[in-house]
Amino acid sequence: DAGVIQSPRHEVTEMGQEVTLRCKPISGHNSLFWYRQTMMRGLELLIYFNNNVPIDDSGMPEDRFSAKMPNASFSTLKIQPSEPRDSAVYFCASSGTGNGNTIYFGEGSWLTVV
Amino acid sequence: DQQVKQNSPSLSVQEGRISILNCDYTNSMFDYFLWYKKYPAEGPTFLISISSIKDKNEDGRFTVFLNKSAKHLSLHIVPSQPGDSAVYFCAASWGGGADGLTFGKGTHLIIQP
Repeated sequence: DAGVIQSPRHEVTEMGQEVTLRCKPISGHNSLFWYRQTMMRGLELLIYFNNNVPIDDSGMPEDRFSAKMPNASFSTLKIQPSEPRDSAVYFCASSGTGNGNTIYFGEGSWLTVV
Repeated sequence: DQQVKQNSPSLSVQEGRISILNCDYTNSMFDYFLWYKKYPAEGPTFLISISSIKDKNEDGRFTVFLNKSAKHLSLHIVPSQPGDSAVYFCAASWGGGADGLTFGKGTHLIIQP
C-alpha cells in the first residue's frame, strides 16, 4: 500500500515568495495532520483535519500559514510570504478510524527560505 | 511548556548492549504513548506503543515501560544493533488520538561497534 505522499521533497525559495506543500494521505484515513520539525522545537503540530474539516489550527505560527483539504485525498500547506525562519522540514501524516492513536508520516518536505 | 520531554538529546551505546531511552510527560490526560523512530531524510515511523492501562509492552527486541505515577516511560532495546542508530521520538495522546500526537524533541541514539 502507498504511504503518505508529500511533494515537493525539497524546496529552496527566496524570502517573500509563496510556498505550497502538498500531501496525499493514506487511502481510507480520515484524519490528516501537518507537523513541522525544527532543531529548537522538535515536532510541532500545526493543524489537523478530520473528515476534511480543519479541527484545530492553533499550532499555525502566523497568518502567513494556511492549510486546506478540499477532498479526502489531498491537502495543501501554504506559506505566503515565506521568511527564512520558516526553513524546516514539514511532515504530513494521516490516521484512520480504529487506530487513531497511531499516525503515519510522509517523508517530509525540506523547505529552505533564503 | 513542553508536555512531553526527552531530556537526553543523544545517547551512545555499544552494539549488543541495552539501550534505554527515557521520556517524561506532564499532562495526566494522556492515555496512550508511542515511540517513533526516524532515520535521516525520512519521516518518523511507528515503533511501539502502550496504553495507560498497561505498564509494559514488548515487541521483539523492543520493550516499553510505563510508570503512570511518575509520568515516565522508557524504551528498552536489547540487544542494540547498528541499524538501531536513529532519532527516537516519544509521543503521547488522549481520547483516542483524534487530536494528534504530542511529541518530545527526540533522542539521537548512536550504536557503536
